[in-house]
Amino acid sequence: DTGVSQDPRHKITKRGQNVTFRCDPISEHNRLYWYRQTLGQGPEFLTYFQNEAQLEKSRLLSDRFSAERPKGSFSTLEIQRTEQGDSAMYLCASSLIIGPLQETQYFGPGTRLLVL
Amino acid sequence: AQKITQTQPGMFVQEKEAVTLDCTYDTSDQSYGLFWYKQPSSGEMIFLIYQGSYDEQNATEGRYSLNFQKARKSANLVISASQLGDSAMYFCAMREGPSGGSNYKLTFGKGTLLTVNP
Repeated sequence: DTGVSQDPRHKITKRGQNVTFRCDPISEHNRLYWYRQTLGQGPEFLTYFQNEAQLEKSRLLSDRFSAERPKGSFSTLEIQRTEQGDSAMYLCASSLIIGPLQETQYFGPGTRLLVL
Repeated sequence: AQKITQTQPGMFVQEKEAVTLDCTYDTSDQSYGLFWYKQPSSGEMIFLIYQGSYDEQNATEGRYSLNFQKARKSANLVISASQLGDSAMYFCAMREGPSGGSNYKLTFGKGTLLTVNP
């Protein structure tokens, strides 16, 4: 399987704990995105990387959230001191820039987080 | 103002019939891209079809076609010959051009839940 993979698929944690999610993009894709999706809503942009550089962060990404993409390959998203409001599906997507506007993001299966 | 509006929270269609899912968008950019994704209950977002703002012809991908009406700012998804496996949430999304300062992220609508009845 050469699609985007995410680990874990499900995570249950207690409020105040730290959690880390991993995303492995499609090989050779140079862009990697993180989105958050809450119940009944479409995904909302959190942050993105071009290669190893984090180029943009949404205001949704409080300072309890941090994302990395060392060496421009896989990425991790860490949430510190989790809150119940962090419960959501966290989606990762990757893309290959071909030309202006010619970019399709391919999504992974997501990580469902439940904070008790 | 919402950038992507999907006015149908839920739609029902009989197997083998065609169905249209509505999407309107709001942008001041001349260059933008419109996407449709399918999200089954498993959660994965599956890319279906793309339409660029400068594309003169409506996009088609197998049973999926995009009815693009630029002046009306609408990008409706048409699914022909519906199958039971088409039952899922469908999201319309837009990526605005460089002049909008957001030539990367996708902005999604709230989705339409499609149910295909046997």
